[in-house]
Amino acid sequence: ETGVTQTPRHLVMGMTNKKSLKCEQHLGHNAMYWYKQSAKKPLELMFVYSLEERVENNSVPSRFSPECPNSSHLFLHLHTLQPEDSALYLCASSQDTSGSDTQYFGPGTRLTVL
Amino acid sequence: GQNIDQPTEMTATEGAIVQINCTYQTSGFNGLFWYQQHAGEAPTFLSYNVLDGLEEKGRFSSFLSRSKGYSYLLLKELQMKDSASYLCAVKDSNYQLIWGAGTKLIIKP
Repeated sequence: ETGVTQTPRHLVMGMTNKKSLKCEQHLGHNAMYWYKQSAKKPLELMFVYSLEERVENNSVPSRFSPECPNSSHLFLHLHTLQPEDSALYLCASSQDTSGSDTQYFGPGTRLTVL
Repeated sequence: GQNIDQPTEMTATEGAIVQINCTYQTSGFNGLFWYQQHAGEAPTFLSYNVLDGLEEKGRFSSFLSRSKGYSYLLLKELQMKDSASYLCAVKDSNYQLIWGAGTKLIIKP
């Protein structure tokens, strides 16, 4: 498999559930990202990992917990979410985090919180 | 604050040319990106500009003026498959991508 993959593609969960989103990149990149995309809003950067170290956390609520066990895998652990957390969650990777490095995106997980 | 502005929606005719504008105000500048996103799919990279001028790639071209904080994406010989959202994003002084809300392009036969 090539590129950036994400599972599951769709997820429906209640506010008391715990679930995890998975992202895997097959590009040999060193940086990985989680974004939130809500309708008609700009992409919101949630977390950045470079060489498995978290380098950016844009004031994301603690109910979202990232994990990067190695440079190819990234998880987003979810617990006690709110209905307003319903959105498309996109994972991306890039060679590094410098200027010209292009970010490549996975297809996203469409999350619905009931 | 940091801000990227682009039109919410545009409509164009198959075979025609369309220009999607993007203006930005960011703390620092380390390049501007354009992405295409079809409904329900991942954003895909189209172009990168860091110096002033026009970059051409087949039917798509992207222009940058750093002094004006302005870019545009030009799409020629429009095809129905070009119906998508087009996202403008700027890397700021911390190399973080700041995103616009996207322009939804509707192509009519």
